[in-house]
Amino acid sequence: QVQLVQSGSELRKPGASVKVSCKASGYTFSSYAVNWVRQAPGQGLEWMGWINTNTGNPTYARGFTGRFVFSLDTSVNTAYLQITNLKSEDTAVYYCSRNDGSGSYYDSWGQGTLVTVSS
Amino acid sequence: DIVMTQSPDSLAVSLGERATINCKSSQGVSYSSDNKNYLAWYQQKPGQPPKLIIYWASTRESGVPDRFSGSGSGTDFTLTISSLQAEDVAVYYCQQYYSSPPTFGGGTKVEIK
Repeated sequence: QVQLVQSGSELRKPGASVKVSCKASGYTFSSYAVNWVRQAPGQGLEWMGWINTNTGNPTYARGFTGRFVFSLDTSVNTAYLQITNLKSEDTAVYYCSRNDGSGSYYDSWGQGTLVTVSS
Repeated sequence: DIVMTQSPDSLAVSLGERATINCKSSQGVSYSSDNKNYLAWYQQKPGQPPKLIIYWASTRESGVPDRFSGSGSGTDFTLTISSLQAEDVAVYYCQQYYSSPPTFGGGTKVEIK
């Protein structure tokens, strides 16, 4: 069955970096894009962008440029989200999800990774 | 960006009764070329990721109980739970995937009265 399994919770200090992984299984990794969605505590869902699993080309939503980097390791069917220069407002649950390209819904989601930024 | 506005923010419904959630988009989310509404609904239970329940505004995802139904077109959409069950307690989000960036509604919390 289709699964997206994310890495565990992270606690970082302001200014540090974090890298979240999203390992896909149960389907052909290159056939679906990986999207990233943020959910701040008690808040709704915010799309961060997506990465083309064929080309590795990332697309970032407004507000997620500069400190946010999407990457892939296709040899292990894994997508990554790296956040640098962490700020307290980055505290959130980060989800990866898949869709079959722009203009499509998200039919499978990772379990989420809580990133807490606190001094 | 297309703004998705859900109403109400929360609702409490008795077990077995109907729950209705509305979602309005700031502009149309369908193409005349395919006549599809690029609108999905997700269910999120506490501590869990969102789960796709409806796509193309009215197509139920595999395995989703038939008490869930989606309707609407253009800019106005509705998610209906025909007979609320205890396991349906969750926050429900609508999302448009018509144009980038894809955007979500603010969510509607469904509780048992």
